[in-house]
Amino acid sequence: EDQVTQSPEALRLQEGESSSLNCSYTVSGLRGLFWYRQDPGKGPEFLFTLYSAGEEKEKERLKATLTKKESFLHITAPKPEDSATYLCAVQEATGNTPLVFGKGTRLSVIA
Amino acid sequence: DAGITQSPRHKVTETGTPVTLRCHQTENHRYMYWYRQDPGHGLRLIHYSYGVKDTDKGEVSDGYSVSRSKTEDFLLTLESATSSQTSVYFCAIRDRQGMNTEAFFGQGTRLTVV
Repeated sequence: EDQVTQSPEALRLQEGESSSLNCSYTVSGLRGLFWYRQDPGKGPEFLFTLYSAGEEKEKERLKATLTKKESFLHITAPKPEDSATYLCAVQEATGNTPLVFGKGTRLSVIA
Repeated sequence: DAGITQSPRHKVTETGTPVTLRCHQTENHRYMYWYRQDPGHGLRLIHYSYGVKDTDKGEVSDGYSVSRSKTEDFLLTLESATSSQTSVYFCAIRDRQGMNTEAFFGQGTRLTVV
């Protein structure tokens, strides 16, 4: 069973059409949840860290939120340059463990 | 940008040959990781290091070995490459683990085993 599940796998939006990406997790305790953006042919680029339920972080057109079982990445009025794969990763609270990643959501924003 | 350099960036090799990928960092971070990324699987951890000469296995470690003789370098070796190891390999670094610190990634190495 995957510890981190992202949905949808792919999302196609018109420019200006707001939407949300989901990241659900099943780790027993969460110390942190991380969002990354990955452009084709490049390494993942860090966006946000969320620590506790109810927390929100914003950056330009992106806003990340966290509940006890999932996180959402809200994209408001997206532009074509927001097209990328968005990755979610979790850090378990128990033990000294590496990040566990979901499979990502591939976002395409069409002008 | 975090100071992480992966080399080579692209490599084509034949089945059965040994291959070594290098990750070099200039951040003096303690933790270094090797991930592979494949369609439908996302990023999967191969091995990681928590200090010089201290390494541990990830979820897909079979067929891979690693070494870290200096803080700044983390090597990934495929002892006898197979076609199933065709992938994009990413190195990542992290200052602390178990704490809320992000990992920074290199640009990746695209490996093709023919």
